[in-house]
Amino acid sequence: GENVEQHPSTLSVQEGDSAVIKCTYSDSASNYFPWYKQELGKRPQLIIDIRSNVGEKKDQRIAVTLNKTAKHFSLHITETQPEDSAVYFCAANNAGNMLTFGGGTRLMVKP
Amino acid sequence: SQTIHQWPATLVQPVGSPLSLECTVEGTSNPNLYWYRQAAGRGLQLLFYSVGIGQISSEVPQNLSASRPQDRQFILSSKKLLLSDSGFYLCAWSSGLVDREQFFGPGTRLTVL
Repeated sequence: GENVEQHPSTLSVQEGDSAVIKCTYSDSASNYFPWYKQELGKRPQLIIDIRSNVGEKKDQRIAVTLNKTAKHFSLHITETQPEDSAVYFCAANNAGNMLTFGGGTRLMVKP
Repeated sequence: SQTIHQWPATLVQPVGSPLSLECTVEGTSNPNLYWYRQAAGRGLQLLFYSVGIGQISSEVPQNLSASRPQDRQFILSSKKLLLSDSGFYLCAWSSGLVDREQFFGPGTRLTVL
């Protein structure tokens, strides 16, 4: 089955700096890669996703890149703000409508 | 628009007691439904998923079970809770189409004492 590895597990940046979170996946058939943000005590919420027919997608300060050959994808947050502090999860789809999630990255943005 | 509900929001139960968590979805039909557990500070562990009424697949063998008595209702149960069952339980739904996002419910925080 699919295996998703996520790095780093924790990331601390200064407000205004960029943050990058990286994920690798194992199943070459995966074609959908969402990113979720989970604030403390809340539910995970989708912030951006990418499908395998594109290599990059951007939405304001966040962007996701996908390298299907290398089987890795990354989340980029520019001009980080304190409200970006949360746990971020990457995921990849597998058979049917299953998602396999990475282990999560705790992002801390210091003011 | 679609909404997903979970209850209760929080629950404190003694070891050995039964459990029933409920999840309902509104505004869609034939959803795929999922139960996840999240231990404190950890990732999302898929417990069960369902593609239709009465159809349940288990990802992790344990003392939990799931049922889907109606199209938009998903129930997580246990006959006897263990300390290790403590965690944040999240229900999620997705459409029947492939490569679509999952939408999470607000979660139930379960503490087993």
